[in-house]
Amino acid sequence: QKEVEQDPGPLSVPEGAIVSLNCTYSNSAFQYFMWYRQYSRKGPELLMYTYSSGNKEDGRFTAQVDKSSKYISLFIRDSQPSDSATYLCAMSAGGNTPLVFGKGTRLSVIA
Amino acid sequence: KAGVTQTPRYLIKTRGQQVTLSCSPISGHRSVSWYQQTPGQGLQFLFEYFSETQRNKGNFPGRFSGRQFSNSRSEMNVSTLELGDSALYLCASNPFPGGGADTQYFGPGTRLTVL
Repeated sequence: QKEVEQDPGPLSVPEGAIVSLNCTYSNSAFQYFMWYRQYSRKGPELLMYTYSSGNKEDGRFTAQVDKSSKYISLFIRDSQPSDSATYLCAMSAGGNTPLVFGKGTRLSVIA
Repeated sequence: KAGVTQTPRYLIKTRGQQVTLSCSPISGHRSVSWYQQTPGQGLQFLFEYFSETQRNKGNFPGRFSGRQFSNSRSEMNVSTLELGDSALYLCASNPFPGGGADTQYFGPGTRLTVL
């Protein structure tokens, strides 16, 4: 079992839809949870960064972490065609430990 | 402020050759990490350098190596290339070692194709 599991999709939704992306993990030491967005031919850019359990909201994006279930989610409200990209979850135990990434979910928002 | 730059952006090599990729971090950033991204394995950590010293290493064979110069620029080298080394190689810079993801920025990557 990989440390971080993420459904690769692809996921196709109409413009304006609410998108739900999620990852599960097995390492209970993970404390920091991130979501990245990666456009074609670009490097990943950090979207959301959370510590431990709970919710974090930033504009149309909401990140949720449930450490008891080892499950994290990213919600995108009022999705736009410009949100079409690959979304990667990532996690870290902190300290000097490197980030561990999911394989990414490819999202297409259709106008 | 200029972002992380990586050169070259695209590269084609044949099996058995070696390759060197370059990364220039954001000005003032002294930590450089390298990642390999493939469709099958996703994004995997290769190594991190700070002050010209490797601080952390992922689970990759010794054919993958790197170094960092006094100006924080970094290079990674892959020797005896295999078909499976075809990937997008990403560099990320951070102001300090072990810095959090909230201060880390990725470059655009070098797309390596091994024939």
